[in-house]
Amino acid sequence: DQQVKQNSPSLSVQEGRISILNCDYTNSMFDYFLWYKKYPAEGPTFLISISSIKDKNEDGRFTVFLNKSAKHLSLHIVPSQPGDSAVYFCAASQNTQGGSEKLVFGKGTKLTVNP
Amino acid sequence: DAMVIQNPRYQVTQFGKPVTLSCSQTLNHNVMYWYQQKSSQAPKLLFHYYDKDFNNEADTPDNFQSRRPNTSFCFLDIRSPGLGDAAMYLCATSRLAGAHYEQYFGPGTRLTVT
Repeated sequence: DQQVKQNSPSLSVQEGRISILNCDYTNSMFDYFLWYKKYPAEGPTFLISISSIKDKNEDGRFTVFLNKSAKHLSLHIVPSQPGDSAVYFCAASQNTQGGSEKLVFGKGTKLTVNP
Repeated sequence: DAMVIQNPRYQVTQFGKPVTLSCSQTLNHNVMYWYQQKSSQAPKLLFHYYDKDFNNEADTPDNFQSRRPNTSFCFLDIRSPGLGDAAMYLCATSRLAGAHYEQYFGPGTRLTVT
C-alpha cells in the first residue's frame, strides 16, 4: 500500500541530455512534494519542492512538474551531468498530529549519467 | 558547519543483543526523526520528536524505542534485534521554513545483525 511510487528503479542517460524521473502518489490529501538526492554513504539532501497550488517549479537545471489530476509528478534535469548520478527519492509531506510534518518516500530511482 | 551527525556509521550486533544508535545535531531544530531504510526500499518513518513530545508511527514494532534527552541528541534503541532489523537507519531534523518543514538528514548508520 505504497502511497508514493517510483516505478523505475534505474535510469541511464547521456551527459548533456535530459533526465526525467517520474513519481506517482495515491493520497489526494498530499499537498507538498519534494525531491531528495542521495549519494552513496551520505544521507538524502533536499533538491527541490513543489506545492500543490503550483504545477511547475524551477531551480537552475532542475524543474519539477506536478499534475494533480493524474497524481503524478516528474523531475527534469537538463542538461544532465555526470555529477548528477545518484539515487533520487520522491517524497510527499504529510501533517502529523503533533503539529509538524513527516515525509512519505518512494523507493527511489538510481540515475546514471554517462560521459 | 551545522549538521546532523550519526554514530557509529556502521554497527554490528548479535541477534537479540540490545543496540543503541546515536544522532546529534548542531542545527538547533526542534523536530528529530528516525527512519529505517532496507535495501532497495523507501525510507520508512519509525517515530519522531516534536520538542519533547514523542510521536510513534502506528506500525513501528515495540522492539524499537527512542530517547531524546535534550534538543541536540536523539537515540534509537533496538531492544532485541532480529535479522529483519538489518537496515540503514537515518536520523533527520527539521524546522519550519515558510509553510513547511525542511528536513535535513544525517549520513545514516548501517546496522548488521549476525
